[in-house]
Amino acid sequence: GDSVTQKEGLVTLTEGLPVMLNCTYQTIYSNAFLFWYVHYLNESPRLLLKSSTDNKRTEHQGFHATLHKSSSSFHLQKSSAQLSDSALYYCALGASSSFSKLVFGQGTSLSVVP
Amino acid sequence: AQTIHQWPVAEIKAVGSPLSLGCTIKGKSSPNLYWYWQATGGTLQQLFYSITVGQVESVVQLNLSASRPKDDQFILSTEKLLLSHSGFYLCAWSPDWGSQNTLYFGAGTRLSVL
Repeated sequence: GDSVTQKEGLVTLTEGLPVMLNCTYQTIYSNAFLFWYVHYLNESPRLLLKSSTDNKRTEHQGFHATLHKSSSSFHLQKSSAQLSDSALYYCALGASSSFSKLVFGQGTSLSVVP
Repeated sequence: AQTIHQWPVAEIKAVGSPLSLGCTIKGKSSPNLYWYWQATGGTLQQLFYSITVGQVESVVQLNLSASRPKDDQFILSTEKLLLSHSGFYLCAWSPDWGSQNTLYFGAGTRLSVL
């Protein structure tokens, strides 16, 4: 079945260092969509990024990710971490437009320290 | 603007007791509605979805039920809680059908079954 793997459960970074959160996926569907959702403490999870076409970079709020179908990856990156980036980040797979269901990874908790 | 209100924020319940969780979506007519659940240490998984009033489809069997009594309301319930029901429950909506659409989440309910 469809699956999403986020290798890191917890990432602790010093402010100003680059961020990279890994996301790989498995699906039989060729037109899958990948998402990054961010969940700040005491808030609702919300969409951070949605994939575009293969090998095209998408950006939002300083974060960016590129869908690479060849390696089934959609890693989240940011050039310089801020304290306010501390949150739980979920990578999610929307495998087919025929149904309406996201498959989530286990989430990566990002902690940015001074 | 659309808003989603989920209640309660947290519950502590005894095994065998009943449960009712709810959410209300305002500002969007005929939204697609979803319940997601995350067990402690697990990943978010879709439990139910509803395309229209009175119709709910089950995705995962967890001895829970869901209902959509009004266009803007989605209820998750059970008559007898199990220890395995503990976790984090999220209500979500999307404007259209299909996994390519953004999900808009409520703030979630944290359930502890003792």
